Amino acid sequence: AQSVTQLDSQVPVFEEAPVELRCNYSSSVSVYLFWYVQYPNQGLQLLLKYLSGSTLVKGINGFEAEFNKSQTSFHLRKPSVHISDTAEYFCAVTKGGRAQKLVFGQGTRLTINP
Amino acid sequence: DTEVTQTPKHLVMGMTNKKSLKCEQHMGHRAMYWYKQKAKKPPELMFVYSYEKLSINESVPSRFSPECPNSSLLNLHLHALQPEDSALYLCASSQDRVGEAFFGQGTRLTVV
Repeated sequence: AQSVTQLDSQVPVFEEAPVELRCNYSSSVSVYLFWYVQYPNQGLQLLLKYLSGSTLVKGINGFEAEFNKSQTSFHLRKPSVHISDTAEYFCAVTKGGRAQKLVFGQGTRLTINP
Repeated sequence: DTEVTQTPKHLVMGMTNKKSLKCEQHMGHRAMYWYKQKAKKPPELMFVYSYEKLSINESVPSRFSPECPNSSLLNLHLHALQPEDSALYLCASSQDRVGEAFFGQGTRLTVV
């Protein structure tokens, strides 16, 4: 079975500062990794995904993440955040396949202060 | 079209009511999902349909009844719900082998 741990439940950051949201996973098989963002009262939007290949993946809204197999991590980063980045961020993992469940972390609430 | 459309956006129902949530996608995806999300929690999987057949039921109470009439539609029939069933219900779909899921905007359900 897979599991995901998001190490920070809340991350407050000042506008234009860099941010890193941490995610570690556990799995006995190869997995695919995702970061989703959820704005208040909305569904989940895919930010980026790691499938294979380059360990540095770039996503929407200036976010990027680095897959580290030895540390079983998939941390999300942004060099300069905006007020509009205030949201809940979920790291998720799946072992792949059409009808496989996504296993989510507990989420990290990113709050951007002016 | 990369959208998953859910209706209604908001629903208030009594504990004796029967209602249905609807989900539609036109991306040709053959797997569709229902997730339940409580406040400040991650989504929890309820059901998975693959090629219109129920493939995963995460031990969901029978007062929730899913239905997949065709490859584009997914329904969730609700009956005799409890106040603790109040939550955001999310529909999702996926196609390729990596299981990347596209989510709808959700239905905010309140049981009174």
